[in-house]
Amino acid sequence: EPEVTQTPSHQVTQMGQEVILRCVPISNHLYFYWYRQILGQKVEFLVSFYNNEISEKSEIFDDQFSVERPDGSNFTLKIRSTKLEDSAMYFCASSRQSNQPQHFGDGTRLSIL
Amino acid sequence: QKEVEQNSGPLSVPEGAIASLNCTYSDRGSQSFFWYRQYSGKSPELIMSIYSNGDKEDGRFTAQLNKASQYVSLLIRDSQPSDSATYLCAVEGGGADGLTFGKGTHLIIQP
Repeated sequence: EPEVTQTPSHQVTQMGQEVILRCVPISNHLYFYWYRQILGQKVEFLVSFYNNEISEKSEIFDDQFSVERPDGSNFTLKIRSTKLEDSAMYFCASSRQSNQPQHFGDGTRLSIL
Repeated sequence: QKEVEQNSGPLSVPEGAIASLNCTYSDRGSQSFFWYRQYSGKSPELIMSIYSNGDKEDGRFTAQLNKASQYVSLLIRDSQPSDSATYLCAVEGGGADGLTFGKGTHLIIQP
């Protein structure tokens, strides 16, 4: 069964550094999403992406964050100048159409030191 | 502010019994409703989706939606120890909206 793949599984970064999280969505899916989950808290929406542009973003997704689809398969989340509070699990998800079920990758655990 | 409310539990159910999980949501314009299962340290795994009022059954799982009451539920029949997990209710408004998740209900199936 097709799945969303994310790399790396764990990223440790010094505060203030830039980090790029990578995702390969399911191949015939058109909508891509990033979520984060701080330890012990609920899953929070960051951004959705369709047709090579951002469709919607939450209040969390400020100027520190950016997304890109650099080629036909990858979907990336860049966090500039990381802060301690950016430590979380980051999940990529994709769906075939809007309002269709979103399928999640295994996540990247981001630890900011 | 869109909100999704769930009882955090833990909800303890004997093996073989029916587990009933509930969720309410604040945005009346919500169109799509999902239940995900999340094991500790893992990603959300889709269990059920429901889009219209009524019941939807898939194997041991039944999702129920009542838009007038802004209420979604998940029934798990013949509960198994492997069903022990946190169950997340998620709601989507429309377009390419992201999902709004509840905090989840921690379900424990006692052998």
